[in-house]
Amino acid sequence: KNQVEQSPQSLIILEGKNCTLQCNYTVSPFSNLRWYKQDTGRGPVSLTIMTFSENTKSNGRYTATLDADTKQSSLHITASQLSDSASYICVVRQTGANNLFFGTGTRLTVIP
Amino acid sequence: DTAVSQTPKYLVTQMGNDKSIKCEQNLGHDTMYWYKQDSKKFLKIMFSYNNKELIINETVPNRFSPKSPDKAHLNLHINSLELGDSAVYFCASSQGGKNIQYFGAGTRLSVL
Repeated sequence: KNQVEQSPQSLIILEGKNCTLQCNYTVSPFSNLRWYKQDTGRGPVSLTIMTFSENTKSNGRYTATLDADTKQSSLHITASQLSDSASYICVVRQTGANNLFFGTGTRLTVIP
Repeated sequence: DTAVSQTPKYLVTQMGNDKSIKCEQNLGHDTMYWYKQDSKKFLKIMFSYNNKELIINETVPNRFSPKSPDKAHLNLHINSLELGDSAVYFCASSQGGKNIQYFGAGTRLSVL
């Protein structure tokens, strides 16, 4: 069964600290993996998109990693800011079938 | 300029009514989508249109019907609204089915 699981479900960190969000998937065949940030009351915004051959991709303070062998991805946030408070959603695309599988997201709260 | 815009932002209506949500994108994308986000914040794809052709149609009730007058618009029409239809509905667009999707701000539908 094609699934995307994210952990932790929620996370609270102090401003300035680093954190890592996890995404494990069973989607096959794999096409690409995306991380989205969704602020409360807003639509998701793309952070990174990674294909099979990419291990790491950065977007400012956000760094995503992908291990296609173990079917795991992580999103590392460096020097967190209050504006990083949001839900982070992992999305995996299946090759050929044009299907997208969404994780349930990790709710990150950054406190001063 | 807003890339993907949805109207209305909020919609409150009674059971049994028929309502429409409009979506427009000015990105020149050829593919548009509708997603439903339930109270658990899980995003589920409902429909996508590519050049006016339905290419994904998840198992949603036939009370929901997408209507695309042109490739810049994909409206969602819902007949005989039910309590369980209450959710946030997101419109998105992309160039091709494999590229990053850009989301609208969402329409919060409340059925009373």
